[in-house]
Amino acid sequence: GEDVEQSLFLSVREGDSSVINCTYTDSSSTYLYWYKQEPGAGLQLLTYIFSNMDMKQDQRLTVLLNKKDKHLSLRIADTQTGDSAIYFCAESPQRNTPLVFGKGTRLSVIA
Amino acid sequence: DGGITQSPKYLFRKEGQNVTLSCEQNLNHDAMYWYRQDPGQGLRLIYYSQIVNDFQKGDIAEGYSVSREKKESFPLTVTSAQKNPTAFYLCATQKRGGPPAVDTQYFGPGTRLTVL
Repeated sequence: GEDVEQSLFLSVREGDSSVINCTYTDSSSTYLYWYKQEPGAGLQLLTYIFSNMDMKQDQRLTVLLNKKDKHLSLRIADTQTGDSAIYFCAESPQRNTPLVFGKGTRLSVIA
Repeated sequence: DGGITQSPKYLFRKEGQNVTLSCEQNLNHDAMYWYRQDPGQGLRLIYYSQIVNDFQKGDIAEGYSVSREKKESFPLTVTSAQKNPTAFYLCATQKRGGPPAVDTQYFGPGTRLTVL
């Protein structure tokens, strides 16, 4: 079945790097996504990676994909207090179907 | 969000009353979704619609109903049969299409429903 697993909490100091991990089960997923949710708001798409890529970098964000282990990670460099939020990993098992979301990782940044 | 409107942002209702949450989009996306979010539970899919006049149940459809009469609109009714309706409700859209289209879902700002 489809399942996306994430750890629930992560705490880092301001200026350090954050690494949020995710495992998924459906090897046919074409795209994998990272979303950010700030308190009381909807989900904002941060980035996505195509399944034939190993890495994608976008400014402070680096996504690593290990397709063999079905492991996805999001690294945030120089983490700031504004990065405090819930981060959701999601997979797209089939075209034109709902994404499958993890439960989200709450990132707390300590000043 | 941006192009997806959910109203109102906060909604209060008495127990036993039906309530309808609005979701409107101007992105011309074919698919629309309703999710419920409870603390520590992540997102749970209630209903989704791939085209006008058609919709499918998600994982927790009991106590909810939807309609899709227009491409732009996908209202969700929370009925009195829903046992614990207090939650944060999120609407999302998705563009359908052939490759190399990406199945990204875009989310509205959400409606917080509190049943008193």
